[in-house]
Amino acid sequence: GENVEQHPSTLSVQEGDSAVIKCTYSDSASNYFPWYKQELGKGPQLIIDIRSNVGEKKDQRIAVTLNKTAKHFSLHITETQPEDSAVYFCAASRSNTGKLIFGQGTTLQVKP
Amino acid sequence: EAQVTQNPRYLITVTGKKLTVTCSQNMNHEYMSWYRQDPGLGLRQIYYSMNVEVTDKGDVPEGYKVSRKEKRNFPLILESPSPNQTSLYFCASSLRYQETQYFGPGTRLLVL
Repeated sequence: GENVEQHPSTLSVQEGDSAVIKCTYSDSASNYFPWYKQELGKGPQLIIDIRSNVGEKKDQRIAVTLNKTAKHFSLHITETQPEDSAVYFCAASRSNTGKLIFGQGTTLQVKP
Repeated sequence: EAQVTQNPRYLITVTGKKLTVTCSQNMNHEYMSWYRQDPGLGLRQIYYSMNVEVTDKGDVPEGYKVSRKEKRNFPLILESPSPNQTSLYFCASSLRYQETQYFGPGTRLLVL
């Protein structure tokens, strides 16, 4: 079945550094790729998403890139801050199914 | 306040005792979904509902049932809970499929 692999599982960076989380997906028909941030004790919250007709999308310090040929997409966080510390999930879906497949999650720690 | 609510937030039960976790959204969203979160496995979709008329299985539907009799509510039913259903459960909703999903606060279930 469809699968999304996410790496790394944990990531520790110094405040101000950049962080990159990578995901690969198996279903070549996937066309929607959201990223969610989950803070401790809370439900996930969307931080950015990208659709297959776009190669890159930015929102302030956050950017996502998509390589459809390689079936690979990445989250880039620049100038990291302690409040960026959380668990991040990538996900993928295709039209007309209703399914959303999540990666395993990345625990990001930003050290002050 | 626009939100997704889940009840109960915490539940301890015994094997075989039927239970229902309620989910309600006040945003007039068409799409609703249930996920379970387990360490190292990320979020896995149990069931989803594209609208009041369409409900279907996600990746891990075994042992669960759902009902979408009205737009705002999407209860998750465990007819005969087993210990392997011990998990953190999230309900989510979005205006339509492949749009921003808003997650509830989660329900932590322990089946003894």
